[in-house]
Amino acid sequence: NAGVTQTPKFQVLKTGQSMTLQCAQDMNHNSMYWYRQDPGMGLRLIYYSASEGTTDKGEVPNGYNVSRLNKREFSLRLESAAPSQTSVYFCASSEGRSTQYFGPGTRLTVL
Amino acid sequence: KQEVTQIPAALSVPEGENLVLNCSFTDSAIYNLQWFRQDPGKGLTSLLLIQSSQREQTSGRLNASLDKSSGRSTLYIAASQPGDSATYLCAVRPYNNNDMRFGAGTRLTVKP
Repeated sequence: NAGVTQTPKFQVLKTGQSMTLQCAQDMNHNSMYWYRQDPGMGLRLIYYSASEGTTDKGEVPNGYNVSRLNKREFSLRLESAAPSQTSVYFCASSEGRSTQYFGPGTRLTVL
Repeated sequence: KQEVTQIPAALSVPEGENLVLNCSFTDSAIYNLQWFRQDPGKGLTSLLLIQSSQREQTSGRLNASLDKSSGRSTLYIAASQPGDSATYLCAVRPYNNNDMRFGAGTRLTVKP
């Protein structure tokens, strides 16, 4: 039981490049989330998915797209990376509105 | 818009001390509140979750309380240990959506 896994762990991009962050959970949870964490700040919600086939914007969705591929997987795409998107990205999952479980994070640097 | 504040930003205590971490929120229409621990360079680990109808939750040396009407929650750590050193974050789930809001965290150092 791996919980929530994220790939890659680290990534460096140049401005304008695109990439997809992958997230998978093996707890059979309905809800999944993408957050970003910047120094000195709490986590901010980018997008969430309450169930397979549905996605909703969070607090900071601009510059990102998401795909809920199936119940296990929820990916985050940066179409044209900008330096302001340098951050640590966390994926999380929960059964409904209950306890959230987090992945280990992806450290992204955009030059 | 929900704002979540955690004060102090950093706290240093000697081993064995009992301590309280604070979390305040501006909108009392919450579904639940969750406390997390984050070690440097790691993800978040859930400590306690309190539903809006509850007043407190306990797990081992940890006790979390919730006063929804005043927009406050506290995390009480008894007999602190060096292994408790980490950043502690609280997060509020609104009543009518899933837009979780986090505080910036309190960085706790427990000195041997």
